[in-house]
Amino acid sequence: NAGVTQTPKFQVLKTGQSMTLQCAQDMNHEYMSWYRQDPGMGLRLIHYSVGAGITDQGEVPNGYNVSRSTTEDFPLRLLSAAPSQTSVYFCASSQSFLNNSPLHFGNGTRLTVT
Amino acid sequence: GESVGLHLPTLSVQEGDNSIINCAYSNSASDYFIWYKQESGKGPQFIIDIRSNMDKRQGQRVTVLLNKTVKHLSLQIAATQPGDSAVYFCAERDRGSTLGRLYFGRGTQLTVWP
Repeated sequence: NAGVTQTPKFQVLKTGQSMTLQCAQDMNHEYMSWYRQDPGMGLRLIHYSVGAGITDQGEVPNGYNVSRSTTEDFPLRLLSAAPSQTSVYFCASSQSFLNNSPLHFGNGTRLTVT
Repeated sequence: GESVGLHLPTLSVQEGDNSIINCAYSNSASDYFIWYKQESGKGPQFIIDIRSNMDKRQGQRVTVLLNKTVKHLSLQIAATQPGDSAVYFCAERDRGSTLGRLYFGRGTQLTVWP
């Protein structure tokens, strides 16, 4: 099993550009989520999904869209990049969030918006 | 604000010593706790978890202790090794929150000296 795979590892965008951060998991996990990690802020939840076709907002969803057309994939789209979106983005999955299963994280995408 | 916090932002120990990393939480509705390790440039890695109906759980070289009376969680690492140098996060789940969302602390930087 590869676990949670994120691409790209690094990305530089200009303000106003759009892009999609990819996330795939091969563990047949129901639950997938996106976090951003900023210095001194800890991990903050952007969006999450409890299964294919179902998504919902976390605590910092503005400026981001997600979709979940398959169990395996959960892409994060930046609609119009802003410098405030410079961060490290982590995708995470778990078997289920109803029965105390831990989140498994990818290795992150480091995004810089200039 | 975040209910999960840390007593110390940094901890330095000598190789072979035992390490204790602490975490305080304020939400009495939290029923599930997880410790993660994050090495530089990587995503958080699951170490050990504990449910609120337990007060101790052991893994390989690690022990998690939960004191619900004072809302305190600790991670003990036995015979600390240089490879244990990383940032350690605690996370809690509020059983009353939407789909058991996890809340993360900001982390403690553990440095192991030879």
